[in-house]
Amino acid sequence: DVKVTQSSRYLVKRTGEKVFLECVQDMDHENMFWYRQDPGLGLRLIYFSYDVKMKEKGDIPEGYSVSREKKERFSLILESASTNQTSMYLCASSFGLGGYTFGSGTRLTVV
Amino acid sequence: QQQVKQSPQSLIVQKGGISIINCAYENTAFDYFPWYQQFPGKGPALLIAIRPDVSEKKEGRFTISFNKSAKQFSLHIMDSQPGDSATYFCAASMGSGGGADGLTFGKGTHLIIQP
Repeated sequence: DVKVTQSSRYLVKRTGEKVFLECVQDMDHENMFWYRQDPGLGLRLIYFSYDVKMKEKGDIPEGYSVSREKKERFSLILESASTNQTSMYLCASSFGLGGYTFGSGTRLTVV
Repeated sequence: QQQVKQSPQSLIVQKGGISIINCAYENTAFDYFPWYQQFPGKGPALLIAIRPDVSEKKEGRFTISFNKSAKQFSLHIMDSQPGDSATYFCAASMGSGGGADGLTFGKGTHLIIQP
């Protein structure tokens, strides 16, 4: 089974902190994605990457950046965390027509 | 602008009944329409998917019906069971169909199956 692992299940950070969310997949997938999930809003795409060192903005990239130095690892960075970034963050990977595999999520609270 | 509209937001169905969740899309370039199932504390998991060249796809108790002219697709869960209680998301993507450029999700339906 494809496995997508997000390093933290729960995080609490202070406003203004720089926050790193890490995601690793073990099936050599080309594509990786970061979504945030909020009640009543569904899943919204923040950034995605289709190759090492490549990145593309999704629908809500403001306040976020990403890094993909290795194929298996895709990091989401909150440059200066704010309370409106409190959310569930989901990482996913995919290859071709096989559908997406999601991690279990990181619930981030910014206080 | 929401590109995939999902309804209802929540749904309660008796055990053994049929659960129906509907989605409508706007972008005619979409060519891949998956449904995801999410249990509390877990990430969404692919349930079933369809392409516009077929009108229906069935996998066990789960069926997708697709109406290209109406730009609508729906998920039917036959003989619904309490274990089906979860949040369901429809989604759509274009291009390769595998969604290399990202899936656009509906807002989700919270389904409860009452014993």
